[in-house]
Amino acid sequence: DAGVIQSPRHEVTEMGQEVTLRCKPISGHDYLFWYRQTMMRGLELLIYFNNNVPIDDSGMPEDRFSAKMPNASFSTLKIQPSEPRDSAVYFCASWNGQTMNTEAFFGQGTRLTVV
Amino acid sequence: AQTVTQSQPEMSVQEAETVTLSCTYDTSESDYYLFWYKQPPSRQMILVIRQEAYKQQNATENRFSVNFQKAAKSFSLKISDSQLGDAAMYFCAYRSAVVWGSQGNLIFGKGTKLSVKP
Repeated sequence: DAGVIQSPRHEVTEMGQEVTLRCKPISGHDYLFWYRQTMMRGLELLIYFNNNVPIDDSGMPEDRFSAKMPNASFSTLKIQPSEPRDSAVYFCASWNGQTMNTEAFFGQGTRLTVV
Repeated sequence: AQTVTQSQPEMSVQEAETVTLSCTYDTSESDYYLFWYKQPPSRQMILVIRQEAYKQQNATENRFSVNFQKAAKSFSLKISDSQLGDAAMYFCAYRSAVVWGSQGNLIFGKGTKLSVKP
């Protein structure tokens, strides 16, 4: 397996524009997580899915953020409209919840810059 | 709610020496998993080592070992024979062993930036 694949790796957009981040988890993993990393706040969980169903979205900052997982192999995180304070690295991670003692695998992240 | 604290924002070690990174956590659960992840400048999050709370034996992976003190809720990482490639951010993380509700996720500390001097 190629691991967790995120796209794009870098995104620069203007304030007010819509941004869509994409993630392909590892095949067979039933959990998918979206994290945001900033210098000030570190790694924060935004939302996670189990079997394509959102389980906990309490970390989503506000209504401008939305996430979907239409099938087991694809998820999106959308920001609309984007603001400069959304600038961060966004990570997607997947995990096989059937094997409790294993780790979550991370994608390489998307560095988002909103100008 | 569980929390993870890394009290050392930055650490430095001489090449070939040993360094210990600290991590403490707070939880009321008795069963859980602890992890150390490494994040080099490439941004990739790489698992270094994991520990199951029900195991008393400290985990070891080559030059990396942990000192797990369950009663003290402490989980430090020791890197022996430090190499230049060990320079990175290191994150301590907690995950509940009870995967219901909002307990399937990893809770991270703020990280420790490790520099290795040649």
